[in-house]
Amino acid sequence: GAGVSQSPSNKVTEKGKDVELRCDPISGHTALYWYRQSLGQGLEFLIYFQGNSAPDKSGLPSDRFSAERTGGSVSTLTIQRTQQEDSAVYLCASSSGRGSNEQFFGPGTRLTVL
Amino acid sequence: GQQLNQSPQSMFIQEGEDVSMNCTSSSIFNTWLWYKQDPGEGPVLLIALYKAGELTSNGRLTAQFGITRKDSFLNISASIPSDVGIYFCAGRRGATNKLIFGTGTLLAVQP
Repeated sequence: GAGVSQSPSNKVTEKGKDVELRCDPISGHTALYWYRQSLGQGLEFLIYFQGNSAPDKSGLPSDRFSAERTGGSVSTLTIQRTQQEDSAVYLCASSSGRGSNEQFFGPGTRLTVL
Repeated sequence: GQQLNQSPQSMFIQEGEDVSMNCTSSSIFNTWLWYKQDPGEGPVLLIALYKAGELTSNGRLTAQFGITRKDSFLNISASIPSDVGIYFCAGRRGATNKLIFGTGTLLAVQP
C-alpha cells in the first residue's frame, strides 16, 4: 500500500481480555517498529523487527506483551490479560532497512481498557 | 522508557511569527529526526539530520544537528495556522535502529 496501515483504529476491551493489534508496513520495507504513546506523552519504543526476527525487544513492558511478524510483512502485537495502564495509542512504523533511519508511521490503534 | 528533553512544552503564537524548539540529551546521538503529529494521526517525518553541525531546510522549516551531537533544534519561519500540532524530536544512537523520542512541543497558531 501507499503507507503504513493499522487495524483496528480503535479498540475498547475489558480488563483481563487479550487483544491483537495489526500493522501492515509499506511494501518492501524490511524494518518494522512498534511504539506506544500514552495520553499527552511522547512515543515509547516497544519492539523492532528486521525481516521476521526481532533483534530488539527491550521496550516490551512485561511478558503480557508479545509481537510477531510473518512473511517479512504484516506484524501483530498481542497484549494478554490487559490492564487499565495498557490504555494508549499503539503506533507502528516501517523503514526501508538497516541503513535507513527514516521511519514512516501508521495512524495508530487507540486501545482503551475498561 | 527513556525520552529526550524537549522544550518548550507548548507555544501559543500569532500567525506570521517565527518559532524555535529544541531537544537535548545527556547522550550522544548519530541521527536526529523531527516529526509533526496531528490529532488522531501518526507522526509525519519533517526533517532528518545525520551529521554533527548539519543544517537542513524543508520549506519554512530549518533544523540543525548540534555540534556536540547531544542536541538539535527546529525553527519554523512565518508560521501559518496549519502548522498547529505536536512536534517531536527523535534520536538514534549507537548501532540500534530504535528511536528515542522527545516529550513533544504543542504548537498553537492564532490566525
